[in-house]
Amino acid sequence: SQTIHQWPATLVQPVGSPLSLECTVEGTSNPNLYWYRQAAGRGLQLLFYSVGIGQISSEVPQNLSASRPQDRQFILSSKKLLLSDSGFYLCAWRGGRGSSYNEQFFGPGTRLTVL
Amino acid sequence: AQKITQTQPGMFVQEKEAVTLDCTYDTSDPSYGLFWYKQPSSGEMIFLIYQGSYDQQNATEGRYSLNFQKARKSANLVISASQLGDSAMYFCAMREGGRGSTLGRLYFGRGTQLTVWP
Repeated sequence: SQTIHQWPATLVQPVGSPLSLECTVEGTSNPNLYWYRQAAGRGLQLLFYSVGIGQISSEVPQNLSASRPQDRQFILSSKKLLLSDSGFYLCAWRGGRGSSYNEQFFGPGTRLTVL
Repeated sequence: AQKITQTQPGMFVQEKEAVTLDCTYDTSDPSYGLFWYKQPSSGEMIFLIYQGSYDQQNATEGRYSLNFQKARKSANLVISASQLGDSAMYFCAMREGGRGSTLGRLYFGRGTQLTVWP
């Protein structure tokens, strides 16, 4: 069966510090991968998506970046965090082209607080 | 324009009663999918139910059913026989393009906080 992992689960970082959040998927190959951010009391905002290794598309221009060094690994990074980067970060996967899956499956999330 | 609109910030229902959570959507794509997710206080997003734009029947999954009214562009979630464990935030989402859509990105509403009381 497929599982998706995210770490760390919680993170408290000072403004201006770097960030690296990791997401890995097991039990599937060639997934589409997504990074979402959820601000407190709000819906999910798509940040990045990837349909393959090294292929990253950005939805919202900001000081975050994403990378996909391996098929089932998706990393969210920042060189300098802002206060507005605080939120709940969710990684999700979906079967790629030809897949029978409709829904996206979400990881447990990382709660980031920037002070 | 908002792709997904959830007009109920909060809903209350008594245990064992049914509740309807509203969702309207906006798209010009003839092929799309509609989803409902549940987010308990732990934060995880749990997939509940899916409805394709060409599906003739309303989707059902156990106590969850999706009241799909295509002409009105609405996709309301109905939870029957509410349980205390149903208390959570509920999100409606839409994917434009068919099942084979390469990107498969989802547009989410702002959610409805459901509280079930004994």
